[in-house]
Amino acid sequence: AQRVTQPEKLLSVFKGAPVELKCNYSYSGSPELFWYVQYSRQRLQLLLRHISRESIKGFTADLNKGETSFHLKKPFAQEEDSAMYYCALTKYGNKLVFGAGTILRVKS
Amino acid sequence: EAGVVQSPRYKIIEKKQPVAFWCNPISGHNTLYWYRQNLGQGPELLIRYENEEAVDDSQLPKDRFSAERLKGVDSTLKIQPAELGDSAVYLCASSSGGTGAGNTEAFFGQGTRLTVV
Repeated sequence: AQRVTQPEKLLSVFKGAPVELKCNYSYSGSPELFWYVQYSRQRLQLLLRHISRESIKGFTADLNKGETSFHLKKPFAQEEDSAMYYCALTKYGNKLVFGAGTILRVKS
Repeated sequence: EAGVVQSPRYKIIEKKQPVAFWCNPISGHNTLYWYRQNLGQGPELLIRYENEEAVDDSQLPKDRFSAERLKGVDSTLKIQPAELGDSAVYLCASSSGGTGAGNTEAFFGQGTRLTVV
């Protein structure tokens, strides 16, 4: 069965501190992994996808197939990063399977 | 571009009453999804359309939920009768579709927050 696990409900860090939002998945095969973000009062939107291998707003995520993880990282958190972050996977675009989400709170 | 448009944004109804949600996807997007998001959880797929065909409705509670996308563009999701446990945010999303990796980004609407009392 497809499953995405985000072990932290809330992650609170100070501005300028490093951030790592954890994501583990279970899937028999090679899925496509995403991070979606929802800022306050805004719609859910794509932050980044593993196939792009790019940095968005300073965030990066590396797919580790051995550990079945796709952790989201940023070296220096900013207040505007405060949001809800969802890890998700899909296979051939059939459907997105989401984790429960992690609230990131960046304190000044 | 307005993106995916959903209405209404909020709906409060009494249990056993019917309710309907409407979604207009991004122009040209063949794939349309309805997700339900319960409090404290991630979105979960209810139904996926490819054009006007429902290709995955395995998670749709068919005794009370129905959906349609008659012309392969906008879509409606209906609940009749609503139960207290149906209180959630209902999200519509669309993508350009196809099996290529570049087509799998889903664009979400603002959602409809349903409260059943």
